[in-house]
Amino acid sequence: DAGITQSPRHKVTETGTPVTLRCHQTENHRYMYWYRQDPGHGLRLIHYSYGVKDTDKGEVSDGYSVSRSKTEDFLLTLESATSSQTSVYFCAISEWGAGANVLTFGAGSRLTVL
Amino acid sequence: ILNVEQSPQSLHVQEGDSTNFTCSFPSSNFYALHWYRWETAKSPEALFVMTLNGDEKKKGRISATLNTKEGYSYLYIKGSQPEDSATYLCALRTGNQFYFGTGTSLTVIP
Repeated sequence: DAGITQSPRHKVTETGTPVTLRCHQTENHRYMYWYRQDPGHGLRLIHYSYGVKDTDKGEVSDGYSVSRSKTEDFLLTLESATSSQTSVYFCAISEWGAGANVLTFGAGSRLTVL
Repeated sequence: ILNVEQSPQSLHVQEGDSTNFTCSFPSSNFYALHWYRWETAKSPEALFVMTLNGDEKKKGRISATLNTKEGYSYLYIKGSQPEDSATYLCALRTGNQFYFGTGTSLTVIP
């Protein structure tokens, strides 16, 4: 069990406010990912990390930043939230399963930007 | 950005029917093809990972095949049961990034 915890699980905020979502894992996995899930788009990669202070952009990174100062925590920040960032955000780690490295997901964080 | 496509978008079948769906992906830069099962109000869970052309994987009534040369994978469910109702996602892994399709939503009617 990867022990992935996302917080907050639900958040409602107003346009223009900063928002930080936290992903915490308990098993020292190197790779961590942030995805957003929207109807008709499936899961889209925002940013990922391959170690402390090592991050890279995904396909929908505009408007988002990330930080990883400790192996166990991967933070996703919306500097100035917009309504288009209303979504469900999933954190994932890459771990061994089904005979290969697979993604294991957190429970998701539902963000509503009014 | 790699385009991973799944069809159909949704499917309703009767209990006991067998069904299959398709995942299409660009065959260049292929590393692995993943299938995930995503139940409502839960998180996606890994079903299969396939890496070699011609790979076939099976788990109970669910199986999958892979054709990397033509860029597609099929997922089969034999004798569908209501508990199979979920969204089935495929994801193409290239290096350390995973590109997901939009999923096939399966509803099995008792």
